[in-house]
Amino acid sequence: GNSVTQMEGPVTLSEEAFLTINCTYTATGYPSLFWYVQYPGEGLQLLLKATKADDKGSNKGFEATYRKETTSFHLEKGSVQVSDSAVYFCALPQRTGNQFYFGTGTSLTVIP
Amino acid sequence: DTGVSQNPRHKITKRGQNVTFRCDPISEHNRLYWYRQTLGQGPEFLTYFQNEAQLEKSRLLSDRFSAERPKGSFSTLEIQRTEQGDSAMYLCASSPRVNYEQYFGPGTRLTVT
Repeated sequence: GNSVTQMEGPVTLSEEAFLTINCTYTATGYPSLFWYVQYPGEGLQLLLKATKADDKGSNKGFEATYRKETTSFHLEKGSVQVSDSAVYFCALPQRTGNQFYFGTGTSLTVIP
Repeated sequence: DTGVSQNPRHKITKRGQNVTFRCDPISEHNRLYWYRQTLGQGPEFLTYFQNEAQLEKSRLLSDRFSAERPKGSFSTLEIQRTEQGDSAMYLCASSPRVNYEQYFGPGTRLTVT
């Protein structure tokens, strides 16, 4: 089935540093790709998505480009803030579209 | 608030007891999903409903687990004869259509002692 492999953490950055969290996927066809964020003690929130190859999803300063050549959907942010400290999950739907496959998550801590 | 809600938020139970969790999806969403998340892992799919029909179940869903969605609105997830290995966060999500983003509730954290 479809799956993602996500960069392992934890990641610790200083405020205003550049962030990259790697995600590569294996899929039949070209499913939509998603990044979710989970803040401590909360459920998952959609951060951004891309629905087809070469699309760029963006939200709150985060970006990710759907690259079919490298089967990647890396998450980037130019200048992280302390409030970005959370766990980030890469995800994609299975072939039936009825369930999502989530990566193992990457924990990000941003220090002032 | 029109988001997905889950109750209770926390549940502590003794091994062998039964527990039931409730999920109220976003009202216009006909698709509802249950996931389980253990510490340091991503959510793992348990089951899926379209309206009141349970259309897909993971092999993770042993016979001690049962889920219902009467009338296609809220859903319940019951775990019978709980085991310590059932300790996890149980997440509910809903979606208006296939391959669309899923909207998650805050989860129910189960601790089995």
